[in-house]
Parts: sequence; C-alpha cells; structure tokens
Amino acid sequence: GAGVSQSPSNKVTEKGKDVELRCDPISGHTALYWYRQSLGQGLEFLIYFQGNSAPDKSGLPSDRFSAERTGGSVSTLTIQRTQQEDSAVYLCASSPEGDRPLGGANVLTFGAGSRLTVL
Amino acid sequence: RKEVEQDPGPFNVPEGATVAFNCTYSNSASQSFFWYRQDCRKEPKLLMSVYSSGNEDGRFTAQLNRASQYISLLIRDSKLSDSATYLCVVVSGGYNKLIFGAGTRLAVHP
Repeated sequence: GAGVSQSPSNKVTEKGKDVELRCDPISGHTALYWYRQSLGQGLEFLIYFQGNSAPDKSGLPSDRFSAERTGGSVSTLTIQRTQQEDSAVYLCASSPEGDRPLGGANVLTFGAGSRLTVL
Repeated sequence: RKEVEQDPGPFNVPEGATVAFNCTYSNSASQSFFWYRQDCRKEPKLLMSVYSSGNEDGRFTAQLNRASQYISLLIRDSKLSDSATYLCVVVSGGYNKLIFGAGTRLAVHP
C-alpha cells in the first residue's frame, strides 16, 4: 500500500482480555518496528523485525507481549491478559532496509497507530 | 540514565522567533541521528537527518557534536505551523534500532 496501515485504530478492552494489533507495512519494506507511546511520553521501542525474524525483542515489557511477522509483510502484536498499564498508542513503522546503519534515504514511515485503552 | 535525553519544554515563542532544542545521547557508538516531528495525536514524521558537518533545510539547522554526544535543532523565523513536539532520534546497535527521546514541545503563538 501507499503507507503503513494499522488496525484497529482504537481498541477498548477489559482488563484480562487478549488483544491483537495488526500492522501492514509499505510493500517491499523489509524492516518493521513496533513502538509504544503512553500519554505524554516518548516512544518506547518494543520489537524489530528484519524479514520474518526478530533479532531484537528486548523492548517487550513482559511475556504477555508477543509479535510475529509472516511473509515478510504483515505483523501482529499480541498482548495477553491485558493490564491497565498497557493502555497506550501502539505505533508500527517500516523502512526499506534494516541490515545496515540508516542513511539519509532510509527512514521510518509510521502508521497512524492503534490506541489501546484497558478498562 | 535514558539513552536519549531532551528538555521536555514546553517552549512558548512568538512568531518569527529563533528557538533551539538540545539532545544528548549516552551511547558513543551511535551511528546515525535524526529529528522527527510529531503533531498532537499524530504519528511521528521525519523532519531531517543530522550529519556530522551540520546541515540546513530551509529554516531548520541541525548540528551534531560527537565528542560531547550532543545534537541540536535550530528553527529560525518560527511559524505557527511549527507548533509540535520535536523528537531526537539516535540509531544504535549493529542494526537500525532507533531510540527516541521523549520530545520537546514547541508552541508558537501570534
């Protein structure tokens, strides 16, 4: 597609439920990132994919969080047994190349985010 | 200590003012640097890359001081439309791990 698509744009769930957030990156982009942004805070790195593999999962806050990417394209971020502190905007971004340092031409394009509210 | 630190602001300036934002980073092996802009309730978008020699894009000037691990963004002749949060971004690690600062909020008033 023309840009990074994320769904749902808004999700309200009850504490303890599982949620799935989807990211459809720009076609051909090999690198895919998930970030989380809590209200009034900066972006917190969660996980990075190069193709279908995730060389860096260090940002996932707990084992309730998992992510996968299939076909080098769509990625799903799953949060199990949601807690109120999981409430945030989950942002996905993609870039054309991920296996060498970024130059000026390789930048992240973000989706509009999925706003998660856990009641 | 956070990997990337910024003054949160807000910076409240009149139209036409010059304003400067600073950012420090802790990883001396960091390789690439950027400024992103984020409007309220929107996703971040690239404003400009930061090169070692310093670079300019219209009213915006970015500087990098590797010795001091310091990045700056200067905005001249501020416009109302410049009101946003400015995010300092540092690329670290053996791959493209982008670390974002918490952002500096700018409010330009008439």
